[in-house]
This record gives sequence, structure tokens and C-alpha cells, in this order.
Amino acid sequence: DGGITQSPKYLFRKEGQNVTLSCEQNLNHDAMYWYRQDPGQGLRLIYYSQIVNDFQKGDIAEGYSVSREKKESFPLTVTSAQKNPTAFYLCASSTWTGRWNTEAFFGQGTRLTVV
Amino acid sequence: AQSVTQLGSHVSVSEGALVLLRCNYSSSVPPYLFWYVQYPNQGLQLLLKYTSAATLVKGINGFEAEFKKSETSFHLTKPSAHMSDAAEYFCAVTGANNLFFGTGTRLTVIP
Repeated sequence: DGGITQSPKYLFRKEGQNVTLSCEQNLNHDAMYWYRQDPGQGLRLIYYSQIVNDFQKGDIAEGYSVSREKKESFPLTVTSAQKNPTAFYLCASSTWTGRWNTEAFFGQGTRLTVV
Repeated sequence: AQSVTQLGSHVSVSEGALVLLRCNYSSSVPPYLFWYVQYPNQGLQLLLKYTSAATLVKGINGFEAEFKKSETSFHLTKPSAHMSDAAEYFCAVTGANNLFFGTGTRLTVIP
């Protein structure tokens, strides 16, 4: 079945460590996104990528990094520079029509907790 | 830039009552509008989407939304609430480089 797979579902990090969240899609979508979700704040965009080897910062990119070496994969690294990383992270993908993005399909999320 | 505003961060309805969740988009007519639902600790699931083909859009689980250009609105409705509808709902709009989400409305269904 086509879809988006995020792993792991739960992740614990010690302060000062970098961690990488995995996101893989087999929908042949051009665009991929990372969102952070905190209670009462909706979805905030961290990074997005429209094509391979290109990505753009979103609203809250500080302390995060991404890569897009393959169309199917868009991993997110939460660095030690991110001061408050405990949150629910959502990866999504969508088709690019040439002018607009169509609906996004989401993974099941990764809950990151700093211990 | 495109944006959406969801009015009411929390909505409570009795089981069997009408569900109305409000969403207004920015003044320029968007090509796509969406409603998503999120259950606890899960990703977002697409409920329905507007693509300018029809102003009344039917989605899954008995939900529908009407696009009203004169009111810049895209409100989500369901005639009769079910306990399983309790979740968080997000309105979203497409942009040239991104998708823009509202802040969400948490729906509580009272038995």
C-alpha cells in the first residue's frame, strides 16, 4: 500500500544529543514537509522540499536540519541547538501541479521527548 | 500569502446534534481548500477537499463543507454528531510553495 512511514513512533533524547527522525514515502510525491505540533498551537512548518536536493526553511527551522537526497526520503535532524525539542513531529507529502501543491498525506508522527 | 482562520479552538456538541466548524480563508480565492481530522497521537487524515469543481463538497464519515466566495468561508458540517467524531479538525489551504493550516478546532461530543 502507498503511504508515508515515519519512524520511530516514540523517541527519547538526552539533552545535548542530536537525533534523526525518519520519513519515507512511496507515493511518488514531489513535495515533502516537516511540521511540529505542540498543544494548542496547531501545525508549525519546520522545513519543506519541492524537489530532490532542494529544501526551504519554514517558520521554525532554527535547531533543525534536513536533507533530500532521494525523492522518497526526507529525514529531519533535531540538533542540540533546539532548546525545546519535546513535541509531536509530523511528516507529509503532496503532489506539485507545477503551480500549486495538492492535498498533503501525513505519516503517523513521531513523539520526541527530551529526558 | 494564503491563510486560513478557524473560529473557536473548542466546540462541544451533544450526540446527534449538528456539527459546525468554522473556517475562513484569506481574500484571494484559493485553488484548493481542505479539511483534515486528527485523532490523538496520530497523523492527519484528509476529510474532504475543494477544487473549484463544486461549491458543496462531500467527504468521509458524513462530513461536508460549502465553499462561499462571498463570505470567504469553508465551514465543515455534519448533520448528526457521533461519539467517534470527537477529534481535532484542521482547515488548510494550498499555496505556491506550501500548505497553510489553521490552528485547529477540538470537537467534543457529549453523550
